[in-house]
Amino acid sequence: SQQGEEDPQALSIQEGENATMNCSYKTSINNLQWYRQNSGRGLVHLILIRSNEREKHSGRLRVTLDTSKKSSSLLITASRAADTASYFCATDGSARQLTFGSGTQLTVLP
Amino acid sequence: NAGVTQTPKFQVLKTGQSMTLQCAQDMNHEYMSWYRQDPGMGLRLIHYSVGAGITDQGEVPNGYNVSRSTTEDFPLRLLSAAPSQTSVYFCASRGTGNTEQYFGPGTRLTVT
Repeated sequence: SQQGEEDPQALSIQEGENATMNCSYKTSINNLQWYRQNSGRGLVHLILIRSNEREKHSGRLRVTLDTSKKSSSLLITASRAADTASYFCATDGSARQLTFGSGTQLTVLP
Repeated sequence: NAGVTQTPKFQVLKTGQSMTLQCAQDMNHEYMSWYRQDPGMGLRLIHYSVGAGITDQGEVPNGYNVSRSTTEDFPLRLLSAAPSQTSVYFCASRGTGNTEQYFGPGTRLTVT
């Protein structure tokens, strides 16, 4: 079974708007990671947040982590058409294996 | 560095046929994994390896075998292909001190 579950499953916004995706998970983690997948391609790592961190930034990306609620959010600011992709959260737990959620399909309309 | 490479990119098999999906990485990573991705779903772990000579089962191992004779290579064998194995297969690697995972481009497999 999958550890992380993203919400919403699909999101459509206009270019320039912000996009927020959420991830919930079930067990304790060492860190949580977000990946992006363009259609027909492999996954690309975006950002990692450790279990003792609450917020992290990388360019237009902002990730938050609330371990008490077992949830994370990914915010993409000032979205661009090129941000259109599927976004997955992945949890890194005690087994040292990444467990992926089912993803959010983001469409940014020009 | 080429990163993680996978061959073939596409494959069509008939039910009952066997084949090997190849995966190689040139980053000297200890950890390697195989995932399958089905429409509308995330990635599910098939098998993984924490080093040469060491492999273990993931979430969906049935119908697949792996071996890890070298650090670089981690082939995935389908023993007797079934239509339920139609999927996109991704190989990935990561170092022991580095938790970022690097993915190959994927193999799209269709079993008829």
